[in-house]
Order: sequence, then structure tokens, then C-alpha cells
Amino acid sequence: DTAVSQTPKYLVTQMGNDKSIKCEQNLGHDTMYWYKQDSKKFLKIMFSYNNKELIINETVPNRFSPKSPDKAHLNLHINSLELGDSAVYFCASSQGQGALNQPQHFGDGTRLSIL
Amino acid sequence: GENVEQHPSTLSVQEGDSAVIKCTYSDSASNYFPWYKQELGKGPQLIIDIRSNVGEKKDQRIAVTLNKTAKHFSLHITETQPEDSAVYFCAAPGAAGNKLTFGGGTRVLVKP
Repeated sequence: DTAVSQTPKYLVTQMGNDKSIKCEQNLGHDTMYWYKQDSKKFLKIMFSYNNKELIINETVPNRFSPKSPDKAHLNLHINSLELGDSAVYFCASSQGQGALNQPQHFGDGTRLSIL
Repeated sequence: GENVEQHPSTLSVQEGDSAVIKCTYSDSASNYFPWYKQELGKGPQLIIDIRSNVGEKKDQRIAVTLNKTAKHFSLHITETQPEDSAVYFCAAPGAAGNKLTFGGGTRVLVKP
């Protein structure tokens, strides 16, 4: 009965590779997000989708491409991985259109390590 | 855009004592202020939130206060227990309201 689930939990790969992280929510929420948490625990939004439409793109390099096949799924594909991409990536979802008064529900994260 | 500052970055308290974390925000149009708790290996979980039309909200041992004039809000944890040890984040949405800006986090350690 996991609310927001993301896979894989750990991802270790070489610099230059391409990888994907998947996220699914079973809460019936309209909006989904991707966040990046760096080694100092700083949490920063990357993307937000509402009903499969992109509504936030926080000047993320275009090596990162989110895809939302339906409102319950938001996947993140990363091309040409760099050392600086090493972080924990969190998927989240909320009801309504964005952050206005709506709690966000987070998955447990994907720890990406670039060798 | 919104800027949220959180203090302190680390906080060590004795079990049973109180813990207070403070956040300031820059955008006076922000009207929703959630607090999240992140345990090791887990994602942030909402523990309490407050809207701009109230000044205080309590939920058992947790309370949040909001001062809109001064643009700051605080999390208060009373009678701390070891399971309160975690990283806590405050957040605010800014005028656009379509995203949350998080504070830098506070690592709380409750010593038994």
C-alpha cells in the first residue's frame, strides 16, 4: 500500500552512462515532482508535472528529461551522467495544482552514485 | 523567488527537553508553511503545517507558530524522545505558489 514508490532505491553507474528512475503514486494526486537532495541534505525542486503537463522546470540541464505517461507516473531519464549528478533523487506528489496549501507526499528516494 | 533560511543546522537536546527550530522567509505573499521530518534512508514526511490565517497550531508534542509581520515561523517539539532524532525541514511556497522552497534542514539529535 505504498503511496509514492520509486525504483530503483540505489543506482551505481559510470560517468557518461544514461539511466532512468521511475516513480508511481497511488494517491490519486494530480501533481508530481522530482527533487534533488545533495550531500549536505539541501532539497531542491527540479520538475513538476500537473496532469501530465510540465509546469515547473528549475533550470535543470537538458540532460535531465522527465516523462509523465499518465498522472500516476513521473519518470526521470538522465543522459551522459556526470560526477555532480551524484545525489538522492526524490519523487513526490500532491493534490491540486502545485504547492498551494497542499501537503506533498515523498517517496523514499533513489541514491545515485556516479563512479 | 522565495528564500527560506533555517536555524540551527544542528541541534542536540537531552531526552525530555524541548527543541525549537526557526525559519525565516522572504516573500510576504507566502501563505502556507509545512514542516517535514526526514529519517535516515527515508523521504521527508509532513508532520505539521500552518496557514497564514492562524498564528499557532498544535498536534500533541509538536507545535508551529507563525509571525507574518516578521516573516518567520518556528517548530516546537516538547518532551523530546529518541525517535524524534531526524532532519527537519521547513518550507514556503512564495507568491506563485506552484512550488515549495525548503530551508537547509536541521539535524536534531535527542540523547537518552
